[in-house]
Amino acid sequence: EPEVTQTPSHQVTQMGQEVILRCVPISNHLYFYWYRQILGQKVEFLVSFYNNEISEKSEIFDDQFSVERPDGSNFTLKIRSTKLEDSAMYFCASSLGQVNTEAFFGQGTRLTVV
Amino acid sequence: DQQVKQNSPSLSVQEGRISILNCDYTNSMFDYFLWYKKYPAEGPTFLISISSIKDKNEDGRFTVFLNKSAKHLSLHIVPSQPGDSAVYFCAASVPVNTGFQKLVFGTGTRLLVSP
Repeated sequence: EPEVTQTPSHQVTQMGQEVILRCVPISNHLYFYWYRQILGQKVEFLVSFYNNEISEKSEIFDDQFSVERPDGSNFTLKIRSTKLEDSAMYFCASSLGQVNTEAFFGQGTRLTVV
Repeated sequence: DQQVKQNSPSLSVQEGRISILNCDYTNSMFDYFLWYKKYPAEGPTFLISISSIKDKNEDGRFTVFLNKSAKHLSLHIVPSQPGDSAVYFCAASVPVNTGFQKLVFGTGTRLLVSP
């Protein structure tokens, strides 16, 4: 069964460092998303991406964040200068349709900023 | 701003019985609702969904009911099995200005099904 894969599963970084979280969405999906879950809190929307551009972003997704689809298969989330409060599980998701279709999630990357 | 609420953080049920997980929402613009199951160290797994034009959707042991007037939905699992033990997230989809959807998640309910 096709699945969304994320690497690494766990990333530890020092505050102020840049991190790149990687995702390979399901191959025939066209819509890509990043969500995050801070420990003990709910899953929060960060950004959606279609046709090589951001279609929607939340207030969390500030100038420190960026997304890219560099090669037609990978979908990356970059945090330029990490803060302690960026520590969370980051989930990549993809969907086939535009609206009213389920999004399929990867297993997540646990980011720990120290 | 809790637009999607799951007021029960946990639920314990015996194997073979019915599990009922509840979810309330406040935004009348939500037009599509989903339930996800999540095991520790894994991403959310899609279970079942319902469009706002329906009041019931069934898939095997899982049934989702939607009461639009009460802004309430529920997930019924019958019969419950120990493998159903996980955290269940209710999510609602809202179309945004650009025409795409984003999911708003509840805080989750941890279901424990005991043998």
